[in-house]
Amino acid sequence: KAGVTQTPRYLIKTRGQQVTLSCSPISGHRSVSWYQQTPGQGLQFLFEYFSETQRNKGNFPGRFSGRQFSNSRSEMNVSTLELGDSALYLCASSLRGEGGEQFFGPGTRLTVL
Amino acid sequence: AQSVTQLGSHVSVSEGALVLLRCNYSSSVPPYLFWYVQYPNQGLQLLLKYTSAATLVKGINGFEAEFKKSETSFHLTKPSAHMSDAAEYFCAVSGVPSFQKLVFGTGTRLLVSP
Repeated sequence: KAGVTQTPRYLIKTRGQQVTLSCSPISGHRSVSWYQQTPGQGLQFLFEYFSETQRNKGNFPGRFSGRQFSNSRSEMNVSTLELGDSALYLCASSLRGEGGEQFFGPGTRLTVL
Repeated sequence: AQSVTQLGSHVSVSEGALVLLRCNYSSSVPPYLFWYVQYPNQGLQLLLKYTSAATLVKGINGFEAEFKKSETSFHLTKPSAHMSDAAEYFCAVSGVPSFQKLVFGTGTRLLVSP
């Protein structure tokens, strides 16, 4: 079974631009979560989507948004990029439910110049 | 709010030595606990998870962890370190407010010397 895939793997943008990252979950997984990883703040939860609806949200500004499609693929968007948005963005998929583990993709490395 | 504390940002061991990575959690409800490993330029890989079925949990690559409620700990161990174990290890907790929201510790980088 194929794992979680994320595209693109690397991205360079400039301040003020917007960016869209894509995540394809493991087949059969309907829950997709996004995390931001930075050296200073560590791993932080952004949001989770299930059945095309945002179910949980972390403590990030409204510039960070996402969506999920009917095939469970998910995208996250960051508008008006800031230097501090430079990070590794990780997507994870799961079957959802109590104690269920999340399977992570390789991440998208975003650099904002 | 749930939280996780990992003691030691770096741990160094010799190949063949015992690996002990510490994790303490804070949770108002019985938690679900996880250990993940991250190799350079890669995502996170699940090593093991605790979901109340057994206090001693065995994972992949020879790792295991013991849930101790009285100490609110979930330390990760491996009897004999291998060079390939060099990576960053994250302890995580979930449960409140959502089972889908993982709260991670700050990570421990394991260095293995020959």
